[in-house]
Amino acid sequence: DAKTTQPPSMDCAEGRAANLPCNHSTISGNEYVYWYRQIHSQGPQYIIHGLKNNETNEMASLIITEDRKSSTLILPHATLRDTAVYYCIVRPHYQTGANNLFFGTGTRLTVIP
Amino acid sequence: DGGITQSPKYLFRKEGQNVTLSCEQNLNHDAMYWYRQDPGQGLRLIYYSQIVNDFQKGDIAEGYSVSREKKESFPLTVTSAQKNPTAFYLCASSLRVGGNQPQHFGDGTRLSIL
Repeated sequence: DAKTTQPPSMDCAEGRAANLPCNHSTISGNEYVYWYRQIHSQGPQYIIHGLKNNETNEMASLIITEDRKSSTLILPHATLRDTAVYYCIVRPHYQTGANNLFFGTGTRLTVIP
Repeated sequence: DGGITQSPKYLFRKEGQNVTLSCEQNLNHDAMYWYRQDPGQGLRLIYYSQIVNDFQKGDIAEGYSVSREKKESFPLTVTSAQKNPTAFYLCASSLRVGGNQPQHFGDGTRLSIL
């Protein structure tokens, strides 16, 4: 069952910030939010993950609302190479099985020159 | 550079033939996974391994087999029993199963039927 909802597509001008939203209203207290992206014909690339605090790494920032029911992935300065399908995934940290990466349909981000 | 290497990138299978997809990682990860991705769909887990000489079935293991004789390697065999093998196959690894360890993926093998 899909636990996240994302818009099917978004456009962003090159050099501007890309803000990708994700709703996860049924998230439970022990579930992390993960973001991956997939460029056509390549494997998914891990971007970032978080539990409740905002996170930042060299690729992106993850902003999680206080109630944890939604989050936003921010690519601060989008480039043409950021054009990809972006997936938001929730999974519990304690899970012993590995059926733990449900990739839904994601958001297709197109960066426009 | 550390990473996951899948080979070949493209593979063709004849009817009744078994084929083996290679997956090698040099990340020193204990856990490895095989997923299948069909056009326009998400990933489905085939098999995973938490440690050498151990592996578990995922959601769609029928028609597939794996081995984990070395920490770095987790080959997937698509047997003739798999009636619809055409798909994009992805191998992943993580430090361990569970916890909050992210999975890192290879670039996939695209399997087609001749």
